[in-house]
Amino acid sequence: AQSVTQPDIHITVSEGASLELRCNYSYGATPYLFWYVQSPGQGLQLLLKYFSGDTLVQGIKGFEAEFKRSQSSFNLRKPSVHWSDAAEYFCAVERGATLGRLYFGRGTQLTVWP
Amino acid sequence: GAGVSQSPSNKVTEKGKDVELRCDPISGHTALYWYRQSLGQGLEFLIYFQGNSAPDKSGLPSDRFSAERTGGSVSTLTIQRTQQEDSAVYLCASSPAGDTEAFFGQGTRLTVV
Repeated sequence: AQSVTQPDIHITVSEGASLELRCNYSYGATPYLFWYVQSPGQGLQLLLKYFSGDTLVQGIKGFEAEFKRSQSSFNLRKPSVHWSDAAEYFCAVERGATLGRLYFGRGTQLTVWP
Repeated sequence: GAGVSQSPSNKVTEKGKDVELRCDPISGHTALYWYRQSLGQGLEFLIYFQGNSAPDKSGLPSDRFSAERTGGSVSTLTIQRTQQEDSAVYLCASSPAGDTEAFFGQGTRLTVV
């Protein structure tokens, strides 16, 4: 069965530290890949997406993600975290069978210490 | 409108009652999606509309759940005879034709007591 795994339920980092959030997927082919962020009481905001081409994609708010086919991974990174980055982060894939239908990971809650 | 709008933002209902949740997508977006976010299940796909038709309703959890879309715009998700396990945040998203980037609303938090 297809699945999206975010192995870290909760991550805590200090402000200014680097961040990496992990995401692995299990599909036969390369799906479309997304990272979304959700602040408390808010909907989901798209940070970045990967469809094809360059495996390192840049997103909003200084985030980037790298697609590694050999590892079936799409990890999200930020070199220096800001207190406003505290939120829940969701990795998602779209397989193309239903355009836009997303399969989400369970999310990683990010806490930022001042 | 500027974004996807959902109403109400919060809904408390008694077990057994019917509820209707509304979604106003971004103007011109032909695709519309409903998702459910709950503590136990995470984010789950419910149904997808292209225009007014629903080619994929495979995520609806039971026949108590239904959805419609009229005029290629507003969509209503109806839950009949609500149960406590229906308590969740219901998220709506829309996207332009031929584009997989979905824009999400802020959701409706449903609490069944």
